[in-house]
Amino acid sequence: EAEVAQSPRYKITEKSQAVAFWCDPISGHATLYWYRQILGQGPELLVQFQDESVVDDSQLPKDRFSAERLKGVDSTLKIQPAELGDSAMYLCASSLPQTGGFGEAFFGQGTRLTVV
Amino acid sequence: GENVEQHPSTLSVQEGDSAVIKCTYSDSASNYFPWYKQELGKGPQLIIDIRSNVGEKKDQRIAVTLNKTAKHFSLHITETQPEDSAVYFCAATKGAAGNKLTFGGGTRVLVKP
Repeated sequence: EAEVAQSPRYKITEKSQAVAFWCDPISGHATLYWYRQILGQGPELLVQFQDESVVDDSQLPKDRFSAERLKGVDSTLKIQPAELGDSAMYLCASSLPQTGGFGEAFFGQGTRLTVV
Repeated sequence: GENVEQHPSTLSVQEGDSAVIKCTYSDSASNYFPWYKQELGKGPQLIIDIRSNVGEKKDQRIAVTLNKTAKHFSLHITETQPEDSAVYFCAATKGAAGNKLTFGGGTRVLVKP
């Protein structure tokens, strides 16, 4: 069964350091999302791609976060510099655009980031 | 933007009993409502969804109902089993390409044997 792949699964970094997460969506899925999930809360969208284009990055803290999907396939989310408040689960999801509606979004296992 | 509220935040049920989780949404244009189950240390997994052109959908022991007028939808789990213990999230979206999923705060369900 096709899955969304994310790496690493866990990351511990010191504050002020740079950190990067990688996501490989399900093959053929044009839409890719990065969500942040703080412990005990629901996921919140950071950035959404349609192919290689950013569709929504209104909640992305652009002073420290960046995301790219250069060839419209896999994607990288970067934080530089990391802050203590960035500790969270970072989830990647992908979906097929569906005519007239929303395609099912499939999530990866996530990357658990701890900033110390 | 869309706002989704979910209740209760925790739910403890006896094995075999039913569990009901309720969500309300704010944007009347929302038309797709998925439910996700998240187990410890894993990403959310879609378990059932409903589109605004239907009022109810069932899949074995789980069902979802939608009341568009009241802007609320509910997840019903019957004959609960210990493996149903997890965090459940509702979500809503307008459904067109480029629209994001807005999640509720989650419900931690504990099924006691």
